[in-house]
Amino acid sequence: DAGVTQSPTHLIKTRGQHVTLRCSPISGHKSVSWYQQVLGQGPQFIFQYYEKEERGRGNFPDRFSARQFPNYSSELNVNALLLGDSALYLCASSAETRPSYEQYFGPGTRLTVT
Amino acid sequence: GENVEQHPSTLSVQEGDSAVIKCTYSDSASNYFPWYKQELGKRPQLIIDIRSNVGEKKDQRIAVTLNKTAKHFSLHITETQPEDSAVYFCAATPYNQGGKLIFGQGTELSVKP
Repeated sequence: DAGVTQSPTHLIKTRGQHVTLRCSPISGHKSVSWYQQVLGQGPQFIFQYYEKEERGRGNFPDRFSARQFPNYSSELNVNALLLGDSALYLCASSAETRPSYEQYFGPGTRLTVT
Repeated sequence: GENVEQHPSTLSVQEGDSAVIKCTYSDSASNYFPWYKQELGKRPQLIIDIRSNVGEKKDQRIAVTLNKTAKHFSLHITETQPEDSAVYFCAATPYNQGGKLIFGQGTELSVKP
């Protein structure tokens, strides 16, 4: 039974470019959340999607956007990259959006902006 | 909004000793509190969680306690082993915001053989 998968594993981009990160949830899970983890800190919530609709948004600029597809996979897009966007981007899936449902994380995409 | 504080930031124990990590949260309506273990270069792994209607939960060598009145919860690891060495994160889910986890800053646990 596959867990949450993310692609690519690593990515190097230049300031001003845009990037698309991809996530496939655990089979049967309909909710996907995105987090940014800067080195040495806890993950910070960016977005949550459920049944293709945005259900929550964290304190991130409009350069960050996301969407969820009919098969429940998701993309995170970041435009006009800044050096400060360098981080590990984590995707987590859960079966529902109710608060008590466990979230399971993917391996992350390591983004480096130069 | 919800804010989670975690202490200590680093913790070093001898193999076989117990380790305790504490977290406080600000939103009294938060109702779900998971703990994650993250080894270097790996994904956060859910190790135990507790819901607001429960005061304590145990799973073999790990346990979590919740004090809703004081708005704090703790992770207890007994009989620590070197493979317990990792960064541990507590988190809270604000009421009616399922899918959103607010994380603490993390505790780097080192278990010395």
